[in-house]
Amino acid sequence: DAMVIQNPRYQVTQFGKPVTLSCSQTLNHNVMYWYQQKSSQAPKLLFHYYDKDFNNEADTPDNFQSRRPNTSFCFLDIRSPGLGDAAMYLCATAADQRSGEQYFGPGTRLTVT
Amino acid sequence: GENVEQHPSTLSVQEGDSAVIKCTYSDSASNYFPWYKQELGKGPQLIIDIRSNVGEKKDQRIAVTLNKTAKHFSLHITETQPEDSAVYFCAANLYNQGGKLIFGQGTELSVKP
Repeated sequence: DAMVIQNPRYQVTQFGKPVTLSCSQTLNHNVMYWYQQKSSQAPKLLFHYYDKDFNNEADTPDNFQSRRPNTSFCFLDIRSPGLGDAAMYLCATAADQRSGEQYFGPGTRLTVT
Repeated sequence: GENVEQHPSTLSVQEGDSAVIKCTYSDSASNYFPWYKQELGKGPQLIIDIRSNVGEKKDQRIAVTLNKTAKHFSLHITETQPEDSAVYFCAANLYNQGGKLIFGQGTELSVKP
């Protein structure tokens, strides 16, 4: 019944070693979002796709990239993880940009050693 | 920039009591206000939302009120139970920025049995 699925749930990577997090959805939603959430903080939007259109937040570091090969899947690539990138990464979806209703996945906890 | 202020940051109540969390927003164009519940190690879960054309919405023990003039909205939980313990985030959409959500800082609610 899971509608927004994130894999893996826990990821450990080494400093500077590229890592990819994945998100899939069964809702057929047009919009997919990636958020970063650090301990005791609100989710921070990194970027989002409206269909195939990529929208990057102005303060998202170049180290973070994303791919959306089809409606169901979206990937977050961290090219050279630093210790400061350790966080929970949340994927969310919305039917469209105007409705506002976003549905979150369970998140991937990233540890950088 | 646009922001959402949320208070209190922590709230402790006795089981059966009511809990109230308050948020204020700055973007006059915002017209959608969701509330999310986030349990430890999980993604945020949409629990209730309200749009600007209504002043109050209720779903069992949870209610949300909106005062557009004051740019203020609140979450009310009645007859609290230990399983209500979690972090709660309010949010407001940025209507003129593709409907992105801006989150409050979160309230950690603890319900003591």
